[in-house]
Parts: sequence; structure tokens; C-alpha cells
Amino acid sequence: DVKVTQSSRYLVKRTGEKVFLECVQDMDHENMFWYRQDPGLGLRLIYFSYDVKMKEKGDIPEGYSVSREKKERFSLILESASTNQTSMYLCAVYSPSGANVLTFGAGSRLTVL
Amino acid sequence: GIQVEQSPPDLILQEGANSTLRCNFSDSVNNLQWFHQNPWGQLINLFYIPSGTKQNGRLSATTVATERYSLLYISSSQTTDSGVYFCAVDYTGTASKLTFGTGTRLQVTL
Repeated sequence: DVKVTQSSRYLVKRTGEKVFLECVQDMDHENMFWYRQDPGLGLRLIYFSYDVKMKEKGDIPEGYSVSREKKERFSLILESASTNQTSMYLCAVYSPSGANVLTFGAGSRLTVL
Repeated sequence: GIQVEQSPPDLILQEGANSTLRCNFSDSVNNLQWFHQNPWGQLINLFYIPSGTKQNGRLSATTVATERYSLLYISSSQTTDSGVYFCAVDYTGTASKLTFGTGTRLQVTL
């Protein structure tokens, strides 16, 4: 089973700061995802990537960008953090063979002051 | 897009009780997963079940694809079952359009 590691469990940033959230998988799967989770709104897809340097916008990409320079690493970037980006951010990896499942990291809880 | 509705939104059980969680979806899917999010926020996949029935210990799930619903059964509930249960569906086969329901929050008390 793939292991998904998110670099920061809790972050506190100030409005206007640039924020990097990193996600690393220990296998070679192509599809990686960034979601945000907010109370009452469930999980919403921000971006996903289906290969190195390949990305597609999800449902709520505004205010975010992503980077995938290596297959195992998928980064979410907040160019200028705002208070409405305070949220739980979840990275996930899709395993296409066998289990056909989405495996999540532990999450990064971001607070923007 | 596909609509996913889960019921009930909240559920409180005594330890040892059984429960059934429901997920209704609005269109044909080829991927349906049930997840459990523990109180620390970690989401764990429970079942990949686009159709049919599966069992894993005290948990089992059934999806009736033709009627667009899935059920998650929890038997002999334990306090460690507490958390939020999500159903997620997708029609692409790659999880790129996975749509999550809003979840059922389960609290199991002693």
C-alpha cells in the first residue's frame, strides 16, 4: 500500500505570506490530489496531477497553484495567503491497480491570521 | 456533476449497537469508496465497492449500482468507530472526479 506523507501537520501563517504544502508518496503512482476540507462543505478538490508537470484544476483552484517536478512529490502553493484559506488540506494518491483506492495523507491544518 | 447524499448526518450509538449508513448518488458511477475520518483528521479507506457486497471484520458494505445507493453496516460498534464516515463516487475510473458526500458523524458512547 502506498504511504502518503504531508510535511506539516499544523501551520500558522500571516495574511500575504507565501505558503508551501508538500506531499510525498513512497511509490510511483501517477495521480495525486489536493483537497481542502471545511465544516459543512465536505472535501473539495483544489488541483490534481496525472503525471510530472501535468496538472488540472479541480473545483476550487482560485488562489492556489501546484507544482509536480518529480513523480513522488506534489506541492500546493498559496501565493498570498488569505484568512479564507484557513482550512484542513489533504493530499491523496490514487492507486489504479488492485485496490483502486484513494489513499490520504494525515492532513495539514493551516491557520492564516 | 454527480450529487452525493449521505444519511443520517449525525448518529449516536451505545457501544455494542449496530448501525446502517446510507449513500445515495445521482448518476452512474464506476468507483465508490467509503472512508472513515478519525477524530485526528486522518481519512482511511474502508471499502472500494462500485457494486456488490464486501465485508471486513465488523464492517460490511453493499452497493446497488442500478438503484444508485450504497449502505455501510457497522456491527457491534466500539468507541474507536467514532468519527465521520464519507462516501465518495466517481465516473472516470481514475478518481479525478471523485465527489464526496457531506458525511455521517458517528459517536459511540460507553
